[in-house]
Amino acid sequence: RKEVEQDPGPFNVPEGATVAFNCTYSNSASQSFFWYRQDCRKEPKLLMSVYSSGNEDGRFTAQLNRASQYISLLIRDSKLSDSATYLCVVKADDKIIFGKGTRLHILP
Amino acid sequence: DAMVIQNPRYQVTQFGKPVTLSCSQTLNHNVMYWYQQKSSQAPKLLFHYYDKDFNNEADTPDNFQSRRPNTSFCFLDIRSPGLGDAAMYLCATSRDGGPNEKLFFGSGTQLSVL
Repeated sequence: RKEVEQDPGPFNVPEGATVAFNCTYSNSASQSFFWYRQDCRKEPKLLMSVYSSGNEDGRFTAQLNRASQYISLLIRDSKLSDSATYLCVVKADDKIIFGKGTRLHILP
Repeated sequence: DAMVIQNPRYQVTQFGKPVTLSCSQTLNHNVMYWYQQKSSQAPKLLFHYYDKDFNNEADTPDNFQSRRPNTSFCFLDIRSPGLGDAAMYLCATSRDGGPNEKLFFGSGTQLSVL
C-alpha cells in the first residue's frame, strides 16, 4: 500500500456544485495532515490544515478519520478559480509525505 | 512579499553540464527542503537541512548535492544532469520542522535538460 494515496481524477464538476475527495494514508502513527493546492506549473500552497475534530474555512471543509486512516476535503459552491490539483500531505515524526494530487476542473 | 525566493524561474542546461539552482528565504526558518516534482507526480524530497545539519534521503542520487552556506541561502547542485532530471525543483522552509508546521514553498525552478 502506498504511503499516501489519492484519486488522481480529473474530477469535472459544474460551477456551483459540491465536490469531495479523499486521501488515504498507511502510517497509523501519522501526526498531522494538510491539504495543499497547486496550480499548473506553480508551487503548492497551503489550503488548510486538518484537525482531528474537523475544520472549516469558508467553502472548504476538511475532515480526519483516524480509524479508517483517511482525510477528506469538501468544497461547496465551487468556483471556476477552484480548478487546480489538490495535494494531500501527511506528516509522521520528521517525515513529510505528499500524495500525487487530485485534479479538479470546474466547468462553467 | 516573496518569502522563499527561487532563481531562476526557468533553467535550461545541456546534458551533463553542471547546474546550480538557488533558494533564499527571509523567514529565518531553521529547516530548508529541496523537492523534485515531475509532471503529475508528488513532490519528492531530495534532502533537507535542519540548520547546518544535512539530511539526505536514501534514494536521492549522488548526482544531486546541496549547500547551505548560511541560514538564508540553500543551493541545489546537479553535477551531471541527465534527461530524467528535467523537472520542477521546489525549495521549501519550515520554522523548526515540527509536526504541525506548514511548509512555505518558493515558486520553483523548472529545469529543462537538452
